Amino acid sequence: DGGITQSPKYLFRKEGQNVTLSCEQNLNHDAMYWYRQDPGQGLRLIYYSQIVNDFQKGDIAEGYSVSREKKESFPLTVTSAQKNPTAFYLCASSIGQGEAPQHFGDGTRLSIL
Amino acid sequence: GENVEQHPSTLSVQEGDSAVIKCTYSDSASNYFPWYKQELGKRPQLIIDIRSNVGEKKDQRIAVTLNKTAKHFSLHITETQPEDSAVYFCAARYGNKLVFGAGTILRVKS
Repeated sequence: DGGITQSPKYLFRKEGQNVTLSCEQNLNHDAMYWYRQDPGQGLRLIYYSQIVNDFQKGDIAEGYSVSREKKESFPLTVTSAQKNPTAFYLCASSIGQGEAPQHFGDGTRLSIL
Repeated sequence: GENVEQHPSTLSVQEGDSAVIKCTYSDSASNYFPWYKQELGKRPQLIIDIRSNVGEKKDQRIAVTLNKTAKHFSLHITETQPEDSAVYFCAARYGNKLVFGAGTILRVKS
């Protein structure tokens, strides 16, 4: 959906470095999500936020951090504590929680140098 | 626990044939079940969804059926075309989040 923008498309991380993935939406959605996708696996939830200034851990939050200072933005930081960060990261948003459809961005592919 | 099982992991069909993908979920409180299609290197796209107060939903060549008693739901694609080739993911709502199946690679041979 054109309303969710992820950047950059490709990102490389050095050892011991923190990197931040951007996710911006102009859909006026309240809820935003971050997923990690590994080859041959489904989407696993890292963090989600239902409202500004509030967020919850998903199933694989260790080594990641997020913030939700604005409704439109939900950046994800991959910290040096995440020992296996190579993956495809997808951001999504929905108008509400639960039953509302989630719409995805184009993703960021993170690799280790 | 929160779990969604999806089968098969890969599915090859001849163009024009039907394809069926099945998912099971573990929480009887789940009430929302979307299906996503993901082409290689692209974002997942919602193709159809169903809520627990409905047993079946159709949209042109795709349909989803839900059996709440057995806790499983299925995606049906009729008259498959080469452009249907992609990875398909099912998901189930658990509380305020979706849990996804591992995906099915569908190949439509022409």
